[in-house]
Amino acid sequence: QQQVRQSPQSLTVWEGETAILNCSYENSAFDYFPWYQQFPGEGPALLISILSVSDKKEDGRFTIFFNKREKKLSLHIADSQPGDSATYFCAASGNYNQGKLIFGQGTKLSIKP
Amino acid sequence: GPKVLQIPSHQIIDMGQMVTLNCDPVSNHLYFYWYKQILGQQMEFLVNFYNGKVMEKSKLFKDQFSVERPDGSYFTLKIQPTALEDSAVYFCASSSRDRGTGQLYFGEGSKLTVL
Repeated sequence: QQQVRQSPQSLTVWEGETAILNCSYENSAFDYFPWYQQFPGEGPALLISILSVSDKKEDGRFTIFFNKREKKLSLHIADSQPGDSATYFCAASGNYNQGKLIFGQGTKLSIKP
Repeated sequence: GPKVLQIPSHQIIDMGQMVTLNCDPVSNHLYFYWYKQILGQQMEFLVNFYNGKVMEKSKLFKDQFSVERPDGSYFTLKIQPTALEDSAVYFCASSSRDRGTGQLYFGEGSKLTVL
């Protein structure tokens, strides 16, 4: 049973556009949602995260929008750069146990210059 | 930023052999984790470890798996004996805390191929 789902599986946008990556979850007990960025041959690195008490979190060009009622969230990458080309993983956990993350299958993002 | 080092980066072994995957976590981190990623699938939690003990393990953490961190050295994942379905990339992670805003730092992974 897939508890965290991501879409699309892959996404290509032009440089300068906004990339939108989607994530949904099933367990209403989840309240911590980090997004990880992974380049080929490297481990995933935390990009930005949000707690369920918030509906939006911004960090530079990266913004998470969170809808608790619908159990959905999205990562918006504004002014996409070729260096943003990577795989992005949405994850979820309970705030009481943030180390036990449930990961989605990832979205492979390609930015065309 | 803080680095988690994993050794080896790739290991090929025959089914039934023992393998030990090593992880050098971020210094001063207290919580350690192993995740498993089969090619094309999502990363899945295996186990977390704190203060010399396994705190929680998933159903993927079979009896053939064990973890330890003797005397503050490497945090290790041992599989004995290995099976074909153990082929995957194993990611180690560490954090300074397990609650609040404890960020997980991941290593680059150890790719295990069981023949």
